[in-house]
Amino acid sequence: DAKTTQPPSMDCAEGRAANLPCNHSTISGNEYVYWYRQIHSQGPQYIIHGLKNNETNEMASLIITEDRKSSTLILPHATLRDTAVYYCIVRVDTNAGKSTFGDGTTLTVKP
Amino acid sequence: GAVVSQHPSWVICKSGTSVKIECRSLDFQATTMFWYRQFPKQSLMLMATSNEGSKATYEQGVEKDKFLINHASLTLSTLTVTSAHPEDSSFYICSARDLGAGSGANVLTFGAGSRLTVL
Repeated sequence: DAKTTQPPSMDCAEGRAANLPCNHSTISGNEYVYWYRQIHSQGPQYIIHGLKNNETNEMASLIITEDRKSSTLILPHATLRDTAVYYCIVRVDTNAGKSTFGDGTTLTVKP
Repeated sequence: GAVVSQHPSWVICKSGTSVKIECRSLDFQATTMFWYRQFPKQSLMLMATSNEGSKATYEQGVEKDKFLINHASLTLSTLTVTSAHPEDSSFYICSARDLGAGSGANVLTFGAGSRLTVL
């Protein structure tokens, strides 16, 4: 699986958009970009994933650059409950689904 | 959506004893489950891949005799920490994938985690 690089921490004002970047310059053509988050002392929660096209769901939007070497997770209106560690994972979609976690970005949403 | 349940959510044991943690897929069958451990302020570290009906596959550096994994059914995997010591104190998390979930089949669902404290 491709290695990812994320900033260790970010702050965001409540109600504003949170934009979390992820670099994955060695991504292969068949690798997907997945985002999970982990709220303190809980198991990770799936947010969104994509291959090439931008994706949007009820939680967030995922913007993938044309060369696929980086992506951005967008939380459109961050709330205090969005404070968590956000993990960007790049992997192929084999039947196993084995995933390796990097250090992630600690997002702190402030009032 | 898919739900993965872990039990117990927290456990305290004495050094030298063994502790079993259960991971259940509640509404789907999982031929493969994954076990992670997480130390405070660190990321998740993959320990092993649990395979239904066969031996688990352990990541490099993880002692298979120390962390026994059994995946006897399509909905249950267990992790047993044998002869636990204080350095085994950690947050253990399992995950599984619902292959029957259509467009959601590629998504891993995680349990809430089990916090082990060894005295």
